[in-house]
Amino acid sequence: GNSVTQMEGPVTLSEEAFLTINCTYTATGYPSLFWYVQYPGEGLQLLLKATKADDKGSNKGFEATYRKETTSFHLEKGSVQVSDSAVYFCALSGDTGRRALTFGSGTRLQVQP
Amino acid sequence: DGGITQSPKYLFRKEGQNVTLSCEQNLNHDAMYWYRQDPGQGLRLIYYSQIVNDFQKGDIAEGYSVSREKKESFPLTVTSAQKNPTAFYLCASSIESTGFHGYTFGSGTRLTVV
Repeated sequence: GNSVTQMEGPVTLSEEAFLTINCTYTATGYPSLFWYVQYPGEGLQLLLKATKADDKGSNKGFEATYRKETTSFHLEKGSVQVSDSAVYFCALSGDTGRRALTFGSGTRLQVQP
Repeated sequence: DGGITQSPKYLFRKEGQNVTLSCEQNLNHDAMYWYRQDPGQGLRLIYYSQIVNDFQKGDIAEGYSVSREKKESFPLTVTSAQKNPTAFYLCASSIESTGFHGYTFGSGTRLTVV
């Protein structure tokens, strides 16, 4: 079945540092890939997505590139802010059968001033 | 504004009780989903529905039940058979007719057994 593996957190960075959160996946066919963000006590918000190999999703300074050869979708941001502190989830949707999203375990990011 | 509303925000359940969590959307989305989130863990799929009057079990359906009588509504009942119901429950919806673009989430219901 489908699965998503994320790097464990928490990730603690100083403001303006470079961020990478690793995500790899296992799926058959050509899944769509997503990053969601969750702030304390809230639901998840879609951050970015990519639907085919070599696509780059981007939003609010965050980027991730769909790498089929390495089955990865790493999240990056060049300069983090305190307001980026949240939990980040990588997810995939299969292209056949069940379309419901499969989520990774989440990575907590803490940005210090 | 269109959105997805979960209620209540906090819910307390006594041992042996059934409780129902509400999820309503006015986005005209076709599909709706229920996930469970435990501390430090990812989201696990409980049930999902792609059309009215039809739903499928997810990965952890035991002890839960759902209905989808209207497109806008997808309530989740946590029954007394669910041995460890304390968790954060998230409802989501998605449009299907134009391809899959990801979910819109509600703000969640935190259920605690007392």
